[in-house]
Amino acid sequence: DIQMTQSPSSLSASVGDRVTITCRASQTISSYLNWYQQKPGKAPKLLIYAASSLQSGVPSRFSGSGSGTDFTLTISSLQPEDFATYYCQQSYITPYTFGQGTNLEIK
Amino acid sequence: QITLKESGPTLVKPTQTLTLTCTFSGFSLTTSRVGVGWIRQPPGKALEWLALIYWNDDKRYSPSLNSRLTITKDTSKNQVVLTMTNMDPVDTATYYCAHRIPLRGAFDMWGQGTRVTVSS
Repeated sequence: DIQMTQSPSSLSASVGDRVTITCRASQTISSYLNWYQQKPGKAPKLLIYAASSLQSGVPSRFSGSGSGTDFTLTISSLQPEDFATYYCQQSYITPYTFGQGTNLEIK
Repeated sequence: QITLKESGPTLVKPTQTLTLTCTFSGFSLTTSRVGVGWIRQPPGKALEWLALIYWNDDKRYSPSLNSRLTITKDTSKNQVVLTMTNMDPVDTATYYCAHRIPLRGAFDMWGQGTRVTVSS
């Protein structure tokens, strides 16, 4: 299985901050990397697919980059509704493994 | 638009078999490259990918659960069924089904999830 490691596991930030979350794959996955946002009691929501493509309806303050084994999710200016848990997921090969999550909290 | 909804028991006993149904609309599982996956999330823990079925009936499973999982589809009913045998309390989780984007493999639409508790 491909292991996905996110950092940090938790992060405190303020409204208006620029935030970056990192995801590393244990082997190359080209650009088959997706990012999800999950709020308590809700299903995950797709934010970014194919490493850098913004899913329809997702605000442009979210962006993704990377290829190979190292990827980042950036939120350019945090909004109150962005405080949530974020997961990366590789879809290069099954099993489609997820990272352990990054909990983004209000400072 | 695409919608999915999971259904099944909320409580199962240890060693029993769990059967979950995903009923979907807004797409067809006969369309090339379309897939439906199952993902679960134990309370307070991360997402875990379980299984995936493609439009051509190709099936993929989590290696750690492969011997316990079966995924099937009924295209006439727009349903995907996941069975998991020999349930254990560690299988307590919210189970989600999701639509897989063709070509890129991301899950763009998810069901609301169904909470399953394994307890005697």
